[in-house]
Amino acid sequence: GAVVSQHPSWVICKSGTSVKIECRSLDFQATTMFWYRQFPKQSLMLMATSNEGSKATYEQGVEKDKFLINHASLTLSTLTVTSAHPEDSSFYICSARQTGGSGEQYFGPGTRLTVT
Amino acid sequence: AQSVTQLDSQVPVFEEAPVELRCNYSSSVSVYLFWYVQYPNQGLQLLLKYLSGSTLVKGINGFEAEFNKSQTSFHLRKPSVHISDTAEYFCAVWASNAGNNRKLIWGLGTSLAVNP
Repeated sequence: GAVVSQHPSWVICKSGTSVKIECRSLDFQATTMFWYRQFPKQSLMLMATSNEGSKATYEQGVEKDKFLINHASLTLSTLTVTSAHPEDSSFYICSARQTGGSGEQYFGPGTRLTVT
Repeated sequence: AQSVTQLDSQVPVFEEAPVELRCNYSSSVSVYLFWYVQYPNQGLQLLLKYLSGSTLVKGINGFEAEFNKSQTSFHLRKPSVHISDTAEYFCAVWASNAGNNRKLIWGLGTSLAVNP
């Protein structure tokens, strides 16, 4: 149980285009989902916290107009990287916290984004 | 504010040797503690967690950790490592009373390299 999927697992796009990444909790409901960014050999950097049915809460320094987050249902959150640039190339990981859970987060397998 | 310190960025060890990955945290309130493992190019997988009760917590893959409140530590141990344990290990803390502002605070990670 407690499986989180991400799609796509990797994507290559051209500079200036937008890319959407989906995060789904497959066998549980997740009121809260999190989006992280991870640079090579580094820890996770929390980008935003997404609550179902409300606006996402962005961490300081994260551009909300560039990284659009939508959490339309209890099992799906999406991250759209708008007007992507090479510096947006990174590993993006989502996680989901089970409704009523103890704080444990279940992680997706990550999405490798490369912007050329 | 909470913080997490993983004292070793890299830990090289020979196969079948014991290993300890150190984690200290600072918090003025009760916390929940987690260890996650990340294999190359993958998402994160929960190894174990401490919520309450027994301070010795057993996790998957033969790992265990001990919560020491007086030393504010949550060190991860395994008595005999395998090549397959080579991965990045992250310690994380979640304040139990942070209300709507709850989020995991992450350490920078420890890279465990198991050599034959």
